[in-house]
Amino acid sequence: LAKTTQPISMDSYEGQEVNITCSHNNIATNDYITWYQQFPSQGPRFIIQGYKTKVTNEVASLFIPADRKSSTLSLPRVSLSDTAVYYCLVGFSGAGSYQLTFGKGTKLSVIP
Amino acid sequence: NAGVTQTPKFQVLKTGQSMTLQCAQDMNHEYMSWYRQDPGMGLRLIHYSVGAGITDQGEVPNGYNVSRSTTEDFPLRLLSAAPSQTSVYFCASRTTGGRAEAFFGQGTRLTVV
Repeated sequence: LAKTTQPISMDSYEGQEVNITCSHNNIATNDYITWYQQFPSQGPRFIIQGYKTKVTNEVASLFIPADRKSSTLSLPRVSLSDTAVYYCLVGFSGAGSYQLTFGKGTKLSVIP
Repeated sequence: NAGVTQTPKFQVLKTGQSMTLQCAQDMNHEYMSWYRQDPGMGLRLIHYSVGAGITDQGEVPNGYNVSRSTTEDFPLRLLSAAPSQTSVYFCASRTTGGRAEAFFGQGTRLTVV
């Protein structure tokens, strides 16, 4: 499974757009990129998943350049409730790739 | 929908005791897994199962056993608890296939004294 690198922490003020970038230089051709969010004392929660270009849902956007060696999670107009740890995962390619490999994630702190 | 249910939510064990953490899902997912999360760390995979009767080891399997007799249940057994097993344990389930989203339980906070 591809290794990912993301910033350990980020701070942002309420109402700002936050972009968290994840590097995955050895991503495989069939790998998907997935982001999870984890609040304290809770299990991770799926946010968004994509393969290439741009994916948008009701909570976030995911930007993936053509070479797919990185991806950026974009959270529009963050609020205090977006304070959490965000994990970037790469994988899921093929029938045998069931494992989710979590790094340490990015701790986002939203400041009033 | 209940999703993934873990019990108990909290547990204190003495060193050497054994216990079973329960995990149940009602989404008919084939794939289930157990993770542990230590303070300030990401999740590490302990064991996983791709279907009833099939289990395999993850990154940190020592000291833990699992079984999968039904699609719904995936219990994690601590054989002889050690202080190093103090952690928060999460169970997850998902369907197999490339784009499946994983669903996590609320976690079991285990302290071994």
